[in-house]
Amino acid sequence: SAVISQKPSRDICQRGTSLTIQCQVDSQVTMMFWYRQQPGQSLTLIATANQGSEATYESGFVIDKFPISRPNLTFSTLTVSNMSPEDSSIYLCSVERGLDRAYGYTFGSGTRLTVV
Amino acid sequence: AQTVTQSQPEMSVQEAETVTLSCTYDTSESDYYLFWYKQPPSRQMILVIRQEAYKQQNATENRFSVNFQKAAKSFSLKISDSQLGDAAMYFCAYRSARSYSGAGSYQLTFGKGTKLSVIP
Repeated sequence: SAVISQKPSRDICQRGTSLTIQCQVDSQVTMMFWYRQQPGQSLTLIATANQGSEATYESGFVIDKFPISRPNLTFSTLTVSNMSPEDSSIYLCSVERGLDRAYGYTFGSGTRLTVV
Repeated sequence: AQTVTQSQPEMSVQEAETVTLSCTYDTSESDYYLFWYKQPPSRQMILVIRQEAYKQQNATENRFSVNFQKAAKSFSLKISDSQLGDAAMYFCAYRSARSYSGAGSYQLTFGKGTKLSVIP
C-alpha cells in the first residue's frame, strides 16, 4: 500500500499567520483526503483533493480558510490560514490503500498544530 | 448520513487477557466497508482490520478479530492476548461502497474512539 510522508510533524504558530502542510505519496493516487482531529476528538474530513481540479470541501470548511493544492498525482498541500487558537488540532492526509476501496486508507503521520 | 457510535470512551485490560471494543453504526445502505484503526501516541493511524458488509464471515488478523452483526449494525473488535503495544486510541470507521456521487462519497466516517489501556 501507499506510503505517505507528511510534514511538518508539529508546529507552534502565532495567531493570524498561516501554515502549509505537505503530503508526499510514494505512488500516484487519484484522490487525497485531508482530515482534522481536534484535541480528544475523532477525525473530521476537511476536503477531498483531486489532481487537476478544485478540492471538494465538506460542510463547515471553506477554501479561504483551508486552501488546498494538488499539483500532481503524488503531492498535496493544505494551508491553514489566518490561524486562531481554535485551529489547534492534528491535521492528517490520507489516500486509498489500493485500487480496491475495501482495502481502506493509509494516513500520514499527522501534523500537530498549536496556535498561540 | 451515516453515523458511527463507540459507547466506551475508555477501556482497560490486563496484559495477556482479552478485550472487546464496541461499535455500532447507522446507515440505510446495504453495501459498505467497516474498519478499525489504531492511533498510538505517535498519532499514526494504523489500519487494524477491515470487513466488507457483503461477507458474512468475520474478519480476523492474528490476535484481532471482529464480530460483525449486519442486522444489528454492530461491529465489535476483539483483541486476544493483549500486549502493552496495543495501548492506543481505537477508532471504528465506516465507508460507503457506492460509486462517487459528490462531496464526501469516499470519506471515512469515524466514531469518537475508545482509549485502550493495557495493564502490565
